[in-house]
Amino acid sequence: DAKTTQPNSMESNEEEPVHLPCNHSTISGTDYIHWYRQLPSQGPEYVIHGLTSNVNNRMASLAIAEDRKSSTLILHRATLRDAAVYYCISNAGGTSYGKLTFGQGTILTVHP
Amino acid sequence: DSGVTQTPKHLITATGQRVTLRCSPRSGDLSVYWYQQSLDQGLQFLIQYYNGEERAKGNILERFSAQQFPDLHSELNLSSLELGDSALYFCASSEGRSEETQYFGPGTRLLVL
Repeated sequence: DAKTTQPNSMESNEEEPVHLPCNHSTISGTDYIHWYRQLPSQGPEYVIHGLTSNVNNRMASLAIAEDRKSSTLILHRATLRDAAVYYCISNAGGTSYGKLTFGQGTILTVHP
Repeated sequence: DSGVTQTPKHLITATGQRVTLRCSPRSGDLSVYWYQQSLDQGLQFLIQYYNGEERAKGNILERFSAQQFPDLHSELNLSSLELGDSALYFCASSEGRSEETQYFGPGTRLLVL
């Protein structure tokens, strides 16, 4: 699995967009990029994942650099409920059988 | 609600004891994963089962073992418990393909005294 690097913490104001960066410079061609988040006192929650193209879902957007060495999770309008630890994970797909290797993540604080 | 259930929610026990944590995956999911979350180690993958068979192993201690039963629920057995085993233990499930979403349960908080 490729190693990922994320800022330790970020802050945002409510209803503003948030861009959470992630570097994965050792990513290989078959590694997927996953984002999960963990709200206080809860289990991790899937946010989004992608391989090469940018992805959108109801929760967020994932922008993947052309060289795939970095990606950005975009929360279009942060709410207080989005305050969580956000994990960027790059796993090797079939060869890792889906196991997720969590790093330290980014603690997102959302101010009212 | 992810659809993954874990019991018990909390467990307090003494060093040297043995406990069993239980996980019921989402309906239809064939894969079950176990993760440990501690303050010093973060979230770590322990082991994965797919349709009753062990598929992948992570940093799981020899004192720990797991199994997945024919009805697809899974149990994680922790024995000869040490203070350092105190942690949150999460179970996750997925349909079985490696690149797909994992759905996590609420976790079991284990405290070893």
